[in-house]
Amino acid sequence: GIQVEQSPPDLILQEGANSTLRCNFSDSVNNLQWFHQNPWGQLINLFYIPSGTKQNGRLSATTVATERYSLLYISSSQTTDSGVYFCAVGHGGATNKLIFGTGTLLAVQP
Amino acid sequence: DVKVTQSSRYLVKRTGEKVFLECVQDMDHENMFWYRQDPGLGLRLIYFSYDVKMKEKGDIPEGYSVSREKKERFSLILESASTNQTSMYLCASSFAPPPYEQYFGPGTRLTVT
Repeated sequence: GIQVEQSPPDLILQEGANSTLRCNFSDSVNNLQWFHQNPWGQLINLFYIPSGTKQNGRLSATTVATERYSLLYISSSQTTDSGVYFCAVGHGGATNKLIFGTGTLLAVQP
Repeated sequence: DVKVTQSSRYLVKRTGEKVFLECVQDMDHENMFWYRQDPGLGLRLIYFSYDVKMKEKGDIPEGYSVSREKKERFSLILESASTNQTSMYLCASSFAPPPYEQYFGPGTRLTVT
């Protein structure tokens, strides 16, 4: 099956710093989502981005489908950005099951 | 606004009990999913449903069953709970045609003692 790898596994930042999280996948996809899991366990949708570039405030994401990777950029990080960031891909039919990466644990220190 | 709700945030059950986890979505989505999340193992798909009364097994269906009698509601059933089913359970839903974006509920932390 398709493999999804995220890097780095852990990241510690000072408040205000920028960061880039990477997601590599081993096959073509028709769904790619980035999530932020908050301390209570809720998965918050950040981006639905099977290809192209999107921006939402301090966050942006780029997926290069032909090269099988996606990047999540966090600028001017804040302590509330702390948590686990997941990349998940789907490559099936209409049901489009998601395969999750192992996540990046981000800690933003004041 | 998109909304997926789950019946409980925290649940404690005894070994051998029958457990029902309920999920409701208000977006008229065709697809609904149940995942479990465990440290070191990540999120894994248990079952999914692509229509009322239709279901398919995911990657780890053993010990679970599901029910979808109405489009907006998807139930996960643990017929006889065991300690190895202690986990975080997450429900999600999506449209069937693109975009396939999945939306998740807040999760249920189940402890089986």
